[in-house]
Amino acid sequence: KQEVTQIPAALSVPEGENLVLNCSFTDSAIYNLQWFRQDPGKGLTSLLLIQSSQREQTSGRLNASLDKSSGRSTLYIAASQPGDSATYLCAVNYGGSQGNLIFGKGTKLSVKP
Amino acid sequence: NAGVMQNPRHLVRRRGQEARLRCSPMKGHSHVYWYRQLPEEGLKFMVYLQKENIIDESGMPKERFSAEFPKEGPSILRIQQVVRGDSAAYFCASSTKGVSYNEQFFGPGTRLTVL
Repeated sequence: KQEVTQIPAALSVPEGENLVLNCSFTDSAIYNLQWFRQDPGKGLTSLLLIQSSQREQTSGRLNASLDKSSGRSTLYIAASQPGDSATYLCAVNYGGSQGNLIFGKGTKLSVKP
Repeated sequence: NAGVMQNPRHLVRRRGQEARLRCSPMKGHSHVYWYRQLPEEGLKFMVYLQKENIIDESGMPKERFSAEFPKEGPSILRIQQVVRGDSAAYFCASSTKGVSYNEQFFGPGTRLTVL
């Protein structure tokens, strides 16, 4: 069964800290992996997409890495800000006839001023 | 370029009524996906459609739920005879191509409340 797990479920840090969010998946035969941000009561904002052939992607203060062999991805947020407070979701695409993403339950991040 | 649009944003129905949720994909996108997020749960895939075709409906309940993506107009997720357990946020996503290398972009969701 293809499952995606995110730890921790919740994280609270003071403003300015660097932090790492973790995502693991049971089946390493992925096509790509996406990290999303979801604000309360809102939709999903795509942050980064990593193809299976890539090791990492960067966008501003965000860096996502992918290690297919170990079934893991991390999202690194540098110099965290209160505006980064949200739930971060990891989603895996196994391609083939499946077009869908399989989501983890997310990590709820709170950055305190 | 407008993003993925969903309407209504909030929908209240009484048990036994029908709910119709609409999704307009981003311009140039011909692949649409519907996901459901139950309270305190992660997002779960429901159905994947291309214009006029259902590609994968493995995540959709067998009864009361149906989806379409006509040649013209938005994709529709239809829930007949709603029950309280259908209360959830329903998200639509679109991509330029299906599977593989394409990023999915999500709409703001429709929050369905069944009284």
